[in-house]
Amino acid sequence: GQQLNQSPQSMFIQEGEDVSMNCTSSSIFNTWLWYKQDPGEGPVLLIALYKAGELTSNGRLTAQFGITRKDSFLNISASIPSDVGIYFCAGGDMYSGGGADGLTFGKGTHLIIQP
Amino acid sequence: NAGVTQTPKFRVLKTGQSMTLLCAQDMNHEYMYWYRQDPGMGLRLIHYSVGEGTTAKGEVPDGYNVSRLKKQNFLLGLESAAPSQTSVYFCASGYRDSPLHFGNGTRLTVT
Repeated sequence: GQQLNQSPQSMFIQEGEDVSMNCTSSSIFNTWLWYKQDPGEGPVLLIALYKAGELTSNGRLTAQFGITRKDSFLNISASIPSDVGIYFCAGGDMYSGGGADGLTFGKGTHLIIQP
Repeated sequence: NAGVTQTPKFRVLKTGQSMTLLCAQDMNHEYMYWYRQDPGMGLRLIHYSVGEGTTAKGEVPDGYNVSRLKKQNFLLGLESAAPSQTSVYFCASGYRDSPLHFGNGTRLTVT
């Protein structure tokens, strides 16, 4: 099946630093999503990307849908303690009716922030 | 607005016991999903449903059954629990062309 390679697996950074993580795939997706999961909770959608080359921001978060449609990155600027958590990328084929089984998740990036 | 609600939040089972996890959504979503999350494995799809009365297998369906008798509910059953089914289970729902909304998970331990 499809696989997503998400890196890095974990990051230990200082508060205020910028963060960058990415996902690559062997398959083409027409949708890329980024989720964040806090301890004891379910993943929450951060950013959704629907077009190759699209660059979208949500506050201090910026994500891009790669031109090849096989990759995406997420940047967090000026990290703060509440950014701690697990970040997941997910690739899908929303508009081909593949919304049902069309989401493939990366294994997550654990972000740990040292004050 | 409750979103996606999962019950129970925690459960401990003995090997061979059965149980049902309930997922309820109040957003009138067509599609519903069950995932399991294990350390280092990310989220893996167990079963999903594209509408009331329909279900389909995902990536790791063995040992699980599901039912979608009502649009708003999606049930995940374990007929004979095994230690390998110790995991955190997440339900999600969405429309055909929308991102998924997740519940807060059910933490299941099988001893």
